[in-house]
Amino acid sequence: DAMVIQNPRYQVTQFGKPVTLSCSQTLNHNVMYWYQQKSSQAPKLLFHYYDKDFNNEADTPDNFQSRRPNTSFCFLDIRSPGLGDTAMYLCATSRDASLIQETQYFGPGTRLLVL
Amino acid sequence: AQSVTQLGSHVSVSEGALVLLRCNYSSSVPPYLFWYVQYPNQGLQLLLKYTTGATLVKGINGFEAEFKKSETSFHLTKPSAHMSDAAEYFCAVSSGYSTLTFGKGTMLLVSP
Repeated sequence: DAMVIQNPRYQVTQFGKPVTLSCSQTLNHNVMYWYQQKSSQAPKLLFHYYDKDFNNEADTPDNFQSRRPNTSFCFLDIRSPGLGDTAMYLCATSRDASLIQETQYFGPGTRLLVL
Repeated sequence: AQSVTQLGSHVSVSEGALVLLRCNYSSSVPPYLFWYVQYPNQGLQLLLKYTTGATLVKGINGFEAEFKKSETSFHLTKPSAHMSDAAEYFCAVSSGYSTLTFGKGTMLLVSP
């Protein structure tokens, strides 16, 4: 049974056209994360929510926003996608933010292509 | 600041051969170390992690890794490769709270 679900799996958008990626989880975890993984590069954390508390990484561009309307769902909004935003976007969850005790569970990712 | 270096973007082995995937880390605080595997069209799955205690960590699917502080390494091994091990493997380091810093990944290719 899928525990972290991402929709859509593939998304094509035009330069500058806003796009929203969706993540949902059935684990009832407190923490949800968004990572960006460009081709042949390491996944890079964009931000995470601990419950409703939003934590942005210092180098995440302002173009990237996130919403978490409830425990189960988290959205990644890209306000004006550029060609450089073409990447795989990974959602992950964990019960708590401590990675000593807990594990991050990843979804299958959304592959975004900006034309 | 923390970082991870994975030597070799691709590693090829024959079925039944030893698998060795290399990971070196840099961390200004005691590191917590992880190996994740990513099969095609799937999310990252935790293979194993080192937090404290025994430096030899055993994970799923017969993989293990040894934390060597003096060498700042956390190499992943498996005695005998199976075709189903073909995937991309990511090493990651954390200070223990929320942030995982990943390496660029190593694609493991297994030939019959």
